[in-house]
Amino acid sequence: EAGVTQFPSHSVIEKGQTVTLRCDPISGHDNLYWYRRVMGKEIKFLLHFVKESKQDESGMPNNRFLAERTGGTYSTLKVQPAELEDSGVYFCASSQDLGHNEQFFGPGTRLTVL
Amino acid sequence: EDQVTQSPEALRLQEGESSSLNCSYTVSGLRGLFWYRQDPGKGPEFLFTLYSAGEEKEKERLKATLTKKESFLHITAPKPEDSATYLCAVQARSTGFQKLVFGTGTRLLVSP
Repeated sequence: EAGVTQFPSHSVIEKGQTVTLRCDPISGHDNLYWYRRVMGKEIKFLLHFVKESKQDESGMPNNRFLAERTGGTYSTLKVQPAELEDSGVYFCASSQDLGHNEQFFGPGTRLTVL
Repeated sequence: EDQVTQSPEALRLQEGESSSLNCSYTVSGLRGLFWYRQDPGKGPEFLFTLYSAGEEKEKERLKATLTKKESFLHITAPKPEDSATYLCAVQARSTGFQKLVFGTGTRLLVSP
């Protein structure tokens, strides 16, 4: 069974540019989560999709971040315009349904904003 | 506010030297406590879920236990391949039961 995949693995952009991160969850997993770890800090929640609906977006830092999950399959996270403090590792996770709590993580996208 | 604290920040062991990692938590209505292992450059790898005080789970050299205030990850006779960062996370009623709240992790290095 394929795990959670993320693309790209690394991205280096200039301040003010736009970047789009992609996550493909485990097939059949309705729940998709985005998390972020900035340097030296713990991994923090950004948002949670159930199928194509945003269930909880309480962790999104500001309106420069836009997450979508059209069709309830893969998800994208766009940062526009990127700022220096957006640098970090962005993780995606998925879980089967609300009764199965285990979240399985992808390898992450390392974003560097210069 | 839900909080997870892990100790120690880093731990160095000799191969075969057993030890324990600690995760203390303060949450409103614990749903589950999770242990993950993370290798450099990779995403967290799921290890265990614990739901209630007194529960224990084992996997190879690892054993996780849970009380009402903390969890321990016991490592018995570790090997160099056990070197990784071990992360603890909780799900709680106060945060809608779904999102994970993580600690900062314990970096474990096992020397041959």
